[in-house]
Parts: sequence; C-alpha cells; structure tokens
Amino acid sequence: NAGVTQTPKFRVLKTGQSMTLLCAQDMNHEYMYWYRQDPGMGLRLIHYSVGEGTTAKGEVPDGYNVSRLKKQNFLLGLESAAPSQTSVYFCASRPLWRGDTQYFGPGTRLTVL
Amino acid sequence: AQSVTQLDSHVSVSEGTPVLLRCNYSSSYSPSLFWYVQHPNKGLQLLLKYTSAATLVKGINGFEAEFKKSETSFHLTKPSAHMSDAAEYFCVVSAHASGGSYIPTFGRGTSLIVHP
Repeated sequence: NAGVTQTPKFRVLKTGQSMTLLCAQDMNHEYMYWYRQDPGMGLRLIHYSVGEGTTAKGEVPDGYNVSRLKKQNFLLGLESAAPSQTSVYFCASRPLWRGDTQYFGPGTRLTVL
Repeated sequence: AQSVTQLDSHVSVSEGTPVLLRCNYSSSYSPSLFWYVQHPNKGLQLLLKYTSAATLVKGINGFEAEFKKSETSFHLTKPSAHMSDAAEYFCVVSAHASGGSYIPTFGRGTSLIVHP
C-alpha cells in the first residue's frame, strides 16, 4: 500500500495563476481532508469530503475549490493564486467509524510570488 | 462545537528528563482525542489516541497520555526524553458534528526542544 500520496511535492506560482493539487489514497477510506499548515497556526481545515461526489467547507475555504469524482482521489484547486496561499498543504484520509485515525500525505510546499 | 488548546507553544527539556506537553479540549459530544508528531519537513504520524476505552493510553516511542474528563485535559508525557523526540506535537479533538461527520480540530502545536 502506498497510503496517501500527494502530487506535486513542491510548486512555485505567480499571483493569479491556477493549479490543482492531487491527493490519492489506496486504503478505501470514506473521509478525505485538505489542510494548510502555517507557522504557529497548526493545521487548518480547508475542505473535506465524506464520500465520492460530496464535499464540504472547512475552517478556511475561501480561494479554494475541491472535487471528489472518485473515492480514492481528492483534488484541491486554486483558481487565482494569492501570496496569502503560500503554505504547506496536507491531505489526509480516514475510515468512516468514530475514533479512527487520520492518515496523512507527505505534504505539498506551495509558494506564490 | 469543539476546540483544543495546547498550553505551551514551546517546551524545552534536557535529554533523559521527563516530558510533559499539555492539551485541554472542549467538546459538546463525547470526543476522540489524538496526539500526532511531525518531525521537520515531514508529514504527521499518530502517536496515540483515546476513543472512550482505557483513560490511560500508551503510544509509540514510550509516550502516553491520560484522558481526564473532569479537567477536560489530555496531556502527553514521556518518562525520559531522547534527542530524536525533538519535533512538533499536535493535539487533536474529533467529535460527531452536525450532519454526522467527524471533523477533527487541531491545536496550534507544541515544539519540543531536547538539549544534550
């Protein structure tokens, strides 16, 4: 099992450019999450999904969109990147049941100039 | 609603001395609680979790945490720090939200510094 993988690992964008981050999991998990990590802020939830075809907003959703067309993939899109979106982005997945552990990807470091 | 507060942003210990990382939580429902560790430039790894079974939970690498409902706390401890324990530690609360989803809330993290 590869677990949770994220593509790409690093990316530099110019303000106004768009991009998509891909998260893939091979554990058949129902839940998937996108977080951003900034110094001193912990991990903040951007969007999440409780199953194929469903998504919901988290704590900091503005400027991001997501899609979950297949159960194993969760895409995070930035339509018009801003310097405030410079961050490390983590994807996570977990099974359906209460108390289950989240499994994290290795992260994507995004810089917006 | 739920929240989690990590009471120290940085904790500094000497190698071989005990470690205490403090976490208080708030939850409207019976929570599950987790501690994750993040080494520099790495992803997050589960240390241990509480899910309403034993209140004293043992995790990997000699860490343990005690769930105290009356104090709404879930502090992380280790009897003897090792240099490899230097990392960022996150306390997480997860409870049944509206609509039936389990949405975790992360604390802001505690940076553990271990001196030789």
